[in-house]
Amino acid sequence: GQNIDQPTEMTATEGAIVQINCTYQTSGFNGLFWYQQHAGEAPTFLSYNVLDGLEEKGRFSSFLSRSKGYSYLLLKELQMKDSASYLCAVKADSWGKLQFGAGTQVVVTP
Amino acid sequence: GAVVSQHPSRVICKSGTSVKIECRSLDFQATTMFWYRQFPKQSLMLMATSNEGSKATYEQGVEKDKFLINHASLTLSTLTVTSAHPEDSSFYICSARGKRDTRVPDENSPLHFGNGTRLTVT
Repeated sequence: GQNIDQPTEMTATEGAIVQINCTYQTSGFNGLFWYQQHAGEAPTFLSYNVLDGLEEKGRFSSFLSRSKGYSYLLLKELQMKDSASYLCAVKADSWGKLQFGAGTQVVVTP
Repeated sequence: GAVVSQHPSRVICKSGTSVKIECRSLDFQATTMFWYRQFPKQSLMLMATSNEGSKATYEQGVEKDKFLINHASLTLSTLTVTSAHPEDSSFYICSARGKRDTRVPDENSPLHFGNGTRLTVT
């Protein structure tokens, strides 16, 4: 079967750091995406990893280990506006078909 | 700004009627479009993949006669929910990728999403 697992919810305080883990088992792998989604809105692209290692983009970083089927999204200096669902998605083929995890709801508290 | 426009953003219809949702790529040619459905507090589930000029490929469990997809041009795909029922109420989102999307490398391009359509069937 194909699985993409991530925690359901995480809570952190403003200014803190939160790490969202994602493990995957898919039939193919052509890259892993992280998206942010606010309630009732479309996902917004955050990061993309296709090779092992860390990709840093401002306050957000994403890490990939293909041998372990593992990725994480690191959110630093949390702001209230970062409260959202974060979706891990694996591109299983070269045409862009994405398989999504169930999403991690991040709640940022004052 | 938005590169994929999805319309309407919200629609309420009566049970038994049909609803058409449009997805347009604004500044690139969308060779492939994907249609997703998302129920409350759940993740996006791929319904179908459509390539311009050919029939859509539906995921297992998605009724192709109920969810009609047309991708007749490189900038427009439509999803028609036929004979809608309350259980079809959901958030429908399209995404698109193009061959000449020069903002990012072709094979690695993040898919561009429309803003979604909230369908409520009464």
